[in-house]
Parts: sequence; structure tokens; C-alpha cells
Amino acid sequence: DAKTTQPPSMDCAEGRAANLPCNHSTISGNEYVYWYRQIHSQGPQYIIHGLKNNETNEMASLIITEDRKSSTLILPHATLRDTAVYYCIVRPENNDYKLSFGAGTTVTVRA
Amino acid sequence: NAGVMQNPRHLVRRRGQEARLRCSPMKGHSHVYWYRQLPEEGLKFMVYLQKENIIDESGMPKERFSAEFPKEGPSILRIQQVVRGDSAAYFCASSPPEGKRTEAFFGQGTRLTVV
Repeated sequence: DAKTTQPPSMDCAEGRAANLPCNHSTISGNEYVYWYRQIHSQGPQYIIHGLKNNETNEMASLIITEDRKSSTLILPHATLRDTAVYYCIVRPENNDYKLSFGAGTTVTVRA
Repeated sequence: NAGVMQNPRHLVRRRGQEARLRCSPMKGHSHVYWYRQLPEEGLKFMVYLQKENIIDESGMPKERFSAEFPKEGPSILRIQQVVRGDSAAYFCASSPPEGKRTEAFFGQGTRLTVV
């Protein structure tokens, strides 16, 4: 599986956009980029995923670079409830059940 | 549509006892996955099951751990003769049948404490 690299932590001001980077320089052509988050003491929550086009849903936007070696998750208007650990995961198409969670980025939204 | 339901939410067992963790997948989901999260660590894949079949148990410890997903009823993760190192949060996830790429939905987990 392609490995991902994320900053260990970041702070964000409430109401501002939070931009979470992820490097996946060894990603293969058929691998998707998934983002999950885990709020303290809860189960992981799916946020968004994409292959090569930018994606947007009610929670976030996902920007994938043209060479697909990195991506950015954007939380457009961060709230205190967005404080969580955010995981960037690359998921092989033929092995789509086994999510490999790394250390993620601990995002703290401050009032 | 209820989400993935896990019970109990908290479980305390003495060393040497058995722990049984239950997971009811979302309605219409036939695939179940178990993950373990040790304190201060990330989630690690344990096992992938479909109804009455274990598809991949490569992440399961070789001894004392077993999982099943019977035709009727919830999926069960069973840990025999628990030790302190089994203390962790155990998460279950489910997804729909094959043919539809989609995300896995996770339950709220069972926190096992071995005393």
C-alpha cells in the first residue's frame, strides 16, 4: 500500500478554513485517497474520497494535485466540533476493505 | 437507518476471562471489519468477514482471538483468556455488498479493560 505522510498536529481558528496536507508520493494509478477523522473516544468517521478529480461534499473539499502525489483536505469553516485526528489513507482498488490508519494529524480548533 | 451498533460500549474483564464483543452492521451491509486501537496508537485492521465466511484474518493474533459473522445475528469478536495487553478499543465497521465502491461506516467501539 502507498504510504502517506501527514503533519502530526495543527491548530486552526474557529470559523476559518482548515487546510490539511497529505503526501502520498508512491500512490498508484488505481489507488484512491480517503479521509477519515476520529473525534475523541468515538469511531472513525468517513469524510471524503477521490481518485484524481477534486471532490466536495457537505463536510469538506478534497484537492488532489495533478501528479496525485499529494492532496489537501479543506474544512471550509472550522468549528470546535471539528477538533479530531484526521487520517489520510490511500486505498488499493483490489484491497478496498483494509484501511491502513497512520498517526494522522491532530487538529485543534480554537475559539 | 441505524448506524453500526456495537455492544457493550465498555467491558471490564479479569485476566483469564473471556470477552465477547458484538457488532450489528448497518441495514443492508453484508461486510464486517474489526479494528483494534491500542492506547495512544492508531487503528489496526484485524479481520474481514462476510456472512458465514472469514475473508481475511491477517491482522488477528494467532492465539486466543476469533471472529464470526453468522447467517443470523451480529458479528462476534471473541477473546479467550484475556491479558492486560488486550486492553484497547475495538471498532467494527460495515460496508454494502460488492459491486459498489463506498466507504466503510464505523461503530462507536467497545472499550475493553482487563484488570
